[in-house]
Amino acid sequence: DVKVTQSSRYLVKRTGEKVFLECVQDMDHENMFWYRQDPGLGLRLIYFSYDVKMKEKGDIPEGYSVSREKKERFSLILESASTNQTSMYLCASSAGGINTGELFFGEGSRLTVL
Amino acid sequence: DQQVKQNSPSLSVQEGRISILNCDYTNSMFDYFLWYKKYPAEGPTFLISISSIKDKNEDGRFTVFLNKSAKHLSLHIVPSQPGDSAVYFCAASAYLTGNQFYFGTGTSLTVIP
Repeated sequence: DVKVTQSSRYLVKRTGEKVFLECVQDMDHENMFWYRQDPGLGLRLIYFSYDVKMKEKGDIPEGYSVSREKKERFSLILESASTNQTSMYLCASSAGGINTGELFFGEGSRLTVL
Repeated sequence: DQQVKQNSPSLSVQEGRISILNCDYTNSMFDYFLWYKKYPAEGPTFLISISSIKDKNEDGRFTVFLNKSAKHLSLHIVPSQPGDSAVYFCAASAYLTGNQFYFGTGTSLTVIP
């Protein structure tokens, strides 16, 4: 079974702090994604990566950066957390190739910025 | 601008009856569609998908219908069970956008025992 693991289920941070959200997948997937889920807005893509050291901006990249040093790991970084970044963050992965199939999601990281 | 829309934020259905969840999209280039189910405090899980070359795909109690001319898809759950109570998201992608999926805002389904 595909497993996508997000390191922290719940985090509380203060405004201005640097925040790292880690995601690891164990199925050798080429593609990895970071979404945020907010009520009434659905899932919005922040960044994605289709290969090691490659990254692409999604729909809402402002205030975020990512790192993919190894194929199995995709990190989301909030350089200076703000209250409007309070959200549920979801990591996902998928097999390589264009438009080939489903996303496998982690359980999510609920971030609260005070 | 929301390219994938789920206009019903919530839906309640009696156990054993049919649940119909709807999804509309605006981008005619979308050619692959998926439905995901999400329980509280968990990540979404894949439910069923359909390619634009088909108009129907069935998997057990779940059937997805695609009407390309209307840019509309629907998920039918028959018979509905209390364990189906969750938030359902539809998602779409297009060959030209690579692996980027666009999600709707979700519909919260409650199946009443």
